[in-house]
Amino acid sequence: AQSVAQPEDQVNVAEGNPLTVKCTYSVSGNPYLFWYVQYPNRGLQFLLKYITGDNLVKGSYGFEAEFNKSQTSFHLKKPSALVSDSALYFCAVRDFPVENAGNMLTFGGGTRLMVKP
Amino acid sequence: ETGVTQTPRHLVMGMTNKKSLKCEQHLGHNAMYWYKQSAKKPLELMFVYSLEERVENNSVPSRFSPECPNSSHLFLHLHTLQPEDSALYLCASSQERPGELFFGEGSRLTVL
Repeated sequence: AQSVAQPEDQVNVAEGNPLTVKCTYSVSGNPYLFWYVQYPNRGLQFLLKYITGDNLVKGSYGFEAEFNKSQTSFHLKKPSALVSDSALYFCAVRDFPVENAGNMLTFGGGTRLMVKP
Repeated sequence: ETGVTQTPRHLVMGMTNKKSLKCEQHLGHNAMYWYKQSAKKPLELMFVYSLEERVENNSVPSRFSPECPNSSHLFLHLHTLQPEDSALYLCASSQERPGELFFGEGSRLTVL
């Protein structure tokens, strides 16, 4: 079975400082990994994904994530945080997909990012 | 603007009512999903349809009944719900590859 852990309920960072939101995963095969962001009263927005290839993945709004197979981690990073980055962030994983079975992602519990001016 | 549209955005219903949530995707995807998001709980996958066939029913109570009449539309029929069913219900769609889900804005359900 696949699982995702986001060990921090909340991350606080000052505007302009680098930010990291942590994610670790567990899968039986090769993982497909995703990050999503959710603003208040909105749905989830896709930020970036790792399928294969370069371990450093770049996504929307200046975010990037680093896949580390030995540590089974996929931490989300941004070099310089903005107040507008304050939101709820979700990491998600799935095993290698089964044909015609959809993409059943397992989500972490979410991490609330607070960026203070 | 999202390619996945959910209606209604807000719904208040009594425990004896029957209502439906609607989802429509304009992205040409072939899989659709219902997720439940409750306060202080991880997102829960409820149902998955791929090529209009249900491929996952994640131990969801029978008071929730999904319907997928075609690849662009997904419904969640609700009847005799409980107050603990109050949550944000999120619809999503995807292609089989590469796999990211595209979410709607959600339907906020309150059961009185």
